[in-house]
Amino acid sequence: DTAVSQTPKYLVTQMGNDKSIKCEQNLGHDTMYWYKQDSKKFLKIMFSYNNKELIINETVPNRFSPKSPDKAHLNLHINSLELGDSAVYFCASSPHRGTGASYEQYFGPGTRLTVT
Amino acid sequence: RKEVEQDPGPFNVPEGATVAFNCTYSNSASQSFFWYRQDCRKEPKLLMSVYSSGNEDGRFTAQLNRASQYISLLIRDSKLSDSATYLCVVNLDSNYQLIWGAGTKLIIKP
Repeated sequence: DTAVSQTPKYLVTQMGNDKSIKCEQNLGHDTMYWYKQDSKKFLKIMFSYNNKELIINETVPNRFSPKSPDKAHLNLHINSLELGDSAVYFCASSPHRGTGASYEQYFGPGTRLTVT
Repeated sequence: RKEVEQDPGPFNVPEGATVAFNCTYSNSASQSFFWYRQDCRKEPKLLMSVYSSGNEDGRFTAQLNRASQYISLLIRDSKLSDSATYLCVVNLDSNYQLIWGAGTKLIIKP
């Protein structure tokens, strides 16, 4: 009954490879996010989708491409992986607008990506 | 100036002490405010939302001062399990994006 789940939890891969991370939420939320947390622990927003529509697209290399097949899923595909992509990637979700808790975000356990 | 600023810490505090975290934000249009905690190698978890009138949840008290653009979190009777990084988070209420502080690391010592 996990609220926000991500797979895989750990991902070790070589430079130049293409990989995907999957995220699913069963909270009925309308909005989902991808964050990157690097070794300095700063949490940086990458993308956000609301009801399958891209609403936040921060300055991220175009090697990163999100995809939301439905509002419960948000996947992240990364092409041509680089050493600097090594980080923890967190998926999060938040309720739809108009509720008192619209902007509270609930996080998945993270995917620890190591590029060698 | 950073949008959300916190003391980086770490705060080393004996068990049972009271701890205060401070946070300032730069955008006066900010509407929603939160404290999250993040344990080592875990995801951030919502600790509490911060309301204009201030709010309390057990040993935790959050305060908001809009005039000074300042948010605080007070932990009373600190426990070993309170050791974590505490993140101050702000939303402009005009979009879905949360602005995150860099976090303050708290270490509670027995």
